[in-house]
Amino acid sequence: KAGVTQTPRYLIKTRGQQVTLSCSPISGHRSVSWYQQTPGQGLQFLFEYFSETQRNKGNFPGRFSGRQFSNSRSEMNVSTLELGDSALYLCASSWMGGNTEAFFGQGTRLTVV
Amino acid sequence: GENVEQHPSTLSVQEGDSAVIKCTYSDSASNYFPWYKQELGKRPQLIIDIRSNVGEKKDQRIAVTLNKTAKHFSLHITETQPEDSAVYFCAADDGSGTASKLTFGTGTRLQVTL
Repeated sequence: KAGVTQTPRYLIKTRGQQVTLSCSPISGHRSVSWYQQTPGQGLQFLFEYFSETQRNKGNFPGRFSGRQFSNSRSEMNVSTLELGDSALYLCASSWMGGNTEAFFGQGTRLTVV
Repeated sequence: GENVEQHPSTLSVQEGDSAVIKCTYSDSASNYFPWYKQELGKRPQLIIDIRSNVGEKKDQRIAVTLNKTAKHFSLHITETQPEDSAVYFCAADDGSGTASKLTFGTGTRLQVTL
């Protein structure tokens, strides 16, 4: 069974630009969550999607958004990039979401210059 | 919202010794507690988890205990090996029913020396 796949692996963007990251969950998993990992703030929850609906959202500005498609694949978008958005963005998929095992992708390393 | 504290931030043990990492959480509604291991440059990997209706769970050299009354849970690694060296994260899922929202601890860097 293929694991969680994130693309691209690395990305360099300029301040003010926008970026879209993609996540393909494990086959059969319907919940996809996104996390931001930085040395200073650790792992922080961005949002969770299930059956194309956002069920939960973390404390991030509206520049961070996401969506989920009917095949459970998910994308997150960050608009008007700031230097502080440089981070490793991880997605995790699980069968149902809450209280079930979540498996992470290898992440997308975003650098904003 | 949920707050998870994790201690210690770094832990150095000799090969063969045991390692213990402790976490506390604040939201009594949290009912799922996974532990992740992250090696340098790699994804967090789920190593063990525990649900609130269970006090202890063991998988070979790894065990997790949960005290719901005190709101703390711990990871125990016995007979440590060099390949156990990594950063370990505890997390709590307040669930809010079926939705997932993991709040992570700040991580423990475990170093197993020969």
